Amino acid sequence: GAVVSQHPSRVICKSGTSVKIECRSLDFQATTMFWYRQFPKQSLMLMATSNEGSKATYEQGVEKDKFLINHASLTLSTLTVTSAHPEDSSFYICSARDQSRTNEKLFFGSGTQLSVL
Amino acid sequence: QQQVKQSPQSLIVQKGGISIINCAYENTAFDYFPWYQQFPGKGPALLIAIRPDVSEKKEGRFTISFNKSAKQFSLHIMDSQPGDSATYFCAASSQGNKLVFGAGTILRVKS
Repeated sequence: GAVVSQHPSRVICKSGTSVKIECRSLDFQATTMFWYRQFPKQSLMLMATSNEGSKATYEQGVEKDKFLINHASLTLSTLTVTSAHPEDSSFYICSARDQSRTNEKLFFGSGTQLSVL
Repeated sequence: QQQVKQSPQSLIVQKGGISIINCAYENTAFDYFPWYQQFPGKGPALLIAIRPDVSEKKEGRFTISFNKSAKQFSLHIMDSQPGDSATYFCAASSQGNKLVFGAGTILRVKS
């Protein structure tokens, strides 16, 4: 099956630093990737839709200057949390759609646990 | 309009029993209804999905029942096992657009 690789799986950083999270589709091309945020025991909240070669589309209430998304190739999207603060601590998950499939399956990465001290 | 309401919040089932999780939606434009399983510290994994042109889909021990008129769909896990203990999310989307997730159900299967 299709695989989405997310890295790193866990990161601890100091307040004020920036953190980059990578999301790669390993065996398919993804013109669209999605970034989610999940707090403990809560559902996934869509942050933004990442489009290859164009600007990301952010959900209401998500600061685009805070959460920078780059989708430079058909297999890689990155999320950079700029000037991270403790309230940014969360589980971040990416997903990608294998558009070669007709059943629109969405595959998720394994997530990144961000802890900001 | 965009919400997907999921119940129960948590569920405890004996080993070998049937786990049932329900979801309801309002947006009649939704045309894809997947269920995801998530273990702690991991991303969600697609379990099974259905489209509104069928009323039921079965894959192994997992079955989706879909009621288009009631705008409801449910996940049945037959012969539930301790290894099924996880959080389950229903979701819905329209024409390949972004998924809307339910709030999740924490399932615990007691051995």
